[in-house]
Amino acid sequence: GNSVTQMEGPVTLSEEAFLTINCTYTATGYPSLFWYVQYPGEGLQLLLKATKADDKGSNKGFEATYRKETTSFHLEKGSVQVSDSAVYFCALPPGGTSYGKLTFGQGTILTVHP
Amino acid sequence: KAGVTQTPRYLIKTRGQQVTLSCSPISGHRSVSWYQQTPGQGLQFLFEYFSETQRNKGNFPGRFSGRQFSNSRSEMNVSTLELGDSALYLCASGRLADNEQFFGPGTRLTVL
Repeated sequence: GNSVTQMEGPVTLSEEAFLTINCTYTATGYPSLFWYVQYPGEGLQLLLKATKADDKGSNKGFEATYRKETTSFHLEKGSVQVSDSAVYFCALPPGGTSYGKLTFGQGTILTVHP
Repeated sequence: KAGVTQTPRYLIKTRGQQVTLSCSPISGHRSVSWYQQTPGQGLQFLFEYFSETQRNKGNFPGRFSGRQFSNSRSEMNVSTLELGDSALYLCASGRLADNEQFFGPGTRLTVL
């Protein structure tokens, strides 16, 4: 079945530092890929997505490129802010009839210090 | 457009009790999924409903059940609560057309 592996966390950075959170996946075919973010005390919000190989998803300064050769979807941001402190999840859908069953990575806790 | 709403936001129950959580999807969304989030296990899929039919179920005991109504609202029920059921329960809704899911704020269940 589908699976997602995220880099071990937590990640602690200073404001304006460069961020990379690694995500690799195992899947049949070429599913859409998602990054979700969870701010403290809240549910998950879709941060960005890519629907096909070589697509780049972007939002709020975050970017991720769908790399089918390396089965990766790494999240990057050039200059993080304190307000980016949150938990980040890489996810993929199963496709077929299992539409709603997202598979999530274990989550990466990001803390940004002023 | 209103987002996914979940009620109640917080619940405290004791072992052996049962609980019902409610989820109202975004208008027009017919798919509703439920997830359990715990520090140890992360995000785990519970069920998926579409047009009042359960399409998928995760690896949870039979104490966990759910249903969906004709207006797409969904409920999940946990009977005979155990301490390990303490978690954040998240509901998500979506459309088949674009594979995106939109999450509610969750219900924080504490079992004492």
